[in-house]
Amino acid sequence: AQSVTQLDSHVSVSEGTPVLLRCNYSSSYSPSLFWYVQHPNKGLQLLLKYTSAATLVKGINGFEAEFKKSETSFHLTKPSAHMSDAAEYFCVTYSSASKIIFGSGTRLSIRP
Amino acid sequence: ETGVTQTPRHLVMGMTNKKSLKCEQHLGHNAMYWYKQSAKKPLELMFVYSLEERVENNSVPSRFSPECPNSSHLFLHLHTLQPEDSALYLCASSQDIGFLYNEQFFGPGTRLTVL
Repeated sequence: AQSVTQLDSHVSVSEGTPVLLRCNYSSSYSPSLFWYVQHPNKGLQLLLKYTSAATLVKGINGFEAEFKKSETSFHLTKPSAHMSDAAEYFCVTYSSASKIIFGSGTRLSIRP
Repeated sequence: ETGVTQTPRHLVMGMTNKKSLKCEQHLGHNAMYWYKQSAKKPLELMFVYSLEERVENNSVPSRFSPECPNSSHLFLHLHTLQPEDSALYLCASSQDIGFLYNEQFFGPGTRLTVL
């Protein structure tokens, strides 16, 4: 069955340093994978999505993610963190029955 | 107004009250969703509507009653709720259901507190 696992419930980085949010997936076929961000008291917003056209996917706000089939990973990265990046991040996939599956979320904190 | 809007943004109700949450999408989408987001729990999909027809009901208690009068509006009617129903209720829409790469657009949510 399809699933996603976010390996860290909380990540804290200093402003200006790189961000790495980890997501592993489980799928018997080529999956569809998304990263969403949720700022406090807001709805979720799509950051980027993997559509099998390219393994390195660029999203909004300087984020990108790389699909690695050999590692079954889809980690989210950003070269330099900004205070406004503090939020909850969700890795998402779909099941074979087109049911959406959310990861448990990673809370990103940015230290000044 | 663009995107997905939800009203009210905050709601406090007693266990014997009846209230409704409203969601409206201005994107021309065919599918709409209700989610429940509780503290320290994964996002839970509650209901899915496609072209005003309910296509999914994930074992949600009957005290939650959805209504989709047209493809732009979605309601969640609440009655005799329990304190554990306190959560952020999110509405979302997408172009269609059943597409592997279907992006969902979310509203800001209604923060519900049941006393």
